[in-house]
Parts: sequence; C-alpha cells; structure tokens
Amino acid sequence: QAVVTQESSLTVSPGGTVTLTCGSSTGAVTSNHYPYWFQQKPGQAPRTLIYDTNNKHSWTPARFSGSLLGGKAALTLSGAQPEDEAEYYCLLYSRGVGAFGAGTRLTVL
Amino acid sequence: EVQLVETGGGLIQPGGSLRVSCAASGLIVNSDYMRWVRQAPGKGLEWVSGIHIDGSRNYADSVKGRFTISRDNSKNTLYLQMNSLRAEDTAIYYCTNRGVWGQGTLVTVSS
Repeated sequence: QAVVTQESSLTVSPGGTVTLTCGSSTGAVTSNHYPYWFQQKPGQAPRTLIYDTNNKHSWTPARFSGSLLGGKAALTLSGAQPEDEAEYYCLLYSRGVGAFGAGTRLTVL
Repeated sequence: EVQLVETGGGLIQPGGSLRVSCAASGLIVNSDYMRWVRQAPGKGLEWVSGIHIDGSRNYADSVKGRFTISRDNSKNTLYLQMNSLRAEDTAIYYCTNRGVWGQGTLVTVSS
C-alpha cells in the first residue's frame, strides 16, 4: 500500500488562509486517487469535508475547498474560524485500496 | 436523514472472532460504496475494507485473509467479520459511506 504524507502540524491566524497537502509515495496524486478530506475533533467521530478531490457535502462550510496542487491533493481553508481547530486527515485510493495520511493538527491561533 | 449505527464491539481474546455490524437508515447499503475505517486509541485513522455497488471488495494488507466485509440487503446492514484477532486490531471501528460516519464501536483484543 502507498504511504500517504501530510504535514504533521500547521498554525493559522483567525481569518487567515492555510493549505494542507496530501502526497503519495507512488507519485503524483490525481483525480484517480479520489482524494477525500476529513475533520476530526477530540472525542468525536470524523466528519467528511471533501470527496473526489473537490466535492463538498451539504454540511461542508464554504470556507473549505479541495484541489490538486503541485502533484498533491490540497485542502484550503480561507477565513479560518476558531472552531476549525482540529485534526485533518486525507484518504487516497489506489486500485481500490485506501490509505490515510497520518493527519495534520491544525491550530487556529 | 442518513444514519449509520455500529454495534457488536467488545472484549475478545487474541485469536478469537467477532462480527461488527452497521445498520443503515436513509440510504441503501447495496446502492452505495461502503467502507470500514478503524482508529486505535490515541492514533490516526486506518482504512480497513470497502465494498462496491457491484459487490467487489478490497482489504488493507494488515487485515487481508482475516477480515471479511459483507452486506445483507434485506436488513440494510453492513458487516465486518474479524477472525484471528490480534492485540493490534484493538480500535474503534467506524462504518462510513461517501459522507456519513457512524459513531463507532470499540473492539478490544486482550487476554
């Protein structure tokens, strides 16, 4: 299985913009990896923010967006809010098998 | 409203077997891609298995040959049969489709 890489931690100022990335040990991430992004807060189940690279659910705040950037999947948060402080995980698929990244701890400070 | 409810977790000895279930409402399990994801205490998420609409299944290397994903269309329920359990299988097991997650069920493998 591929190894999926994420930043271990990032900090963003309230109202600021930050981009989290998700890379693969097998090469460039493409739409064929069906990138997902999840948010998890302490003691809670994860919540899906983005699926298939850039698709949002009805509950996904508009300030979150997904894309492909420089051979990686990316999650951009524009206008960070205190409630966005959480762990963020990406998930990539290869030949039907999924692999999560280790997660990015996002601090809003 | 789409809801997924996992049950069946518990304490099991190493080498034992356990089946966890995921009852779905608001969606039809055989008309959506469904997967199991687990999270060991204090650790990150781990993809375990997925089943496609056509019934094809995939597994993580760590569980291949020991775990089996299945679904019962009449009960609208997803299952994960876990055999030859090891201490490292201890985790909260979540079922999820493309968007919704259940609350998870805790499986503890210990003597």
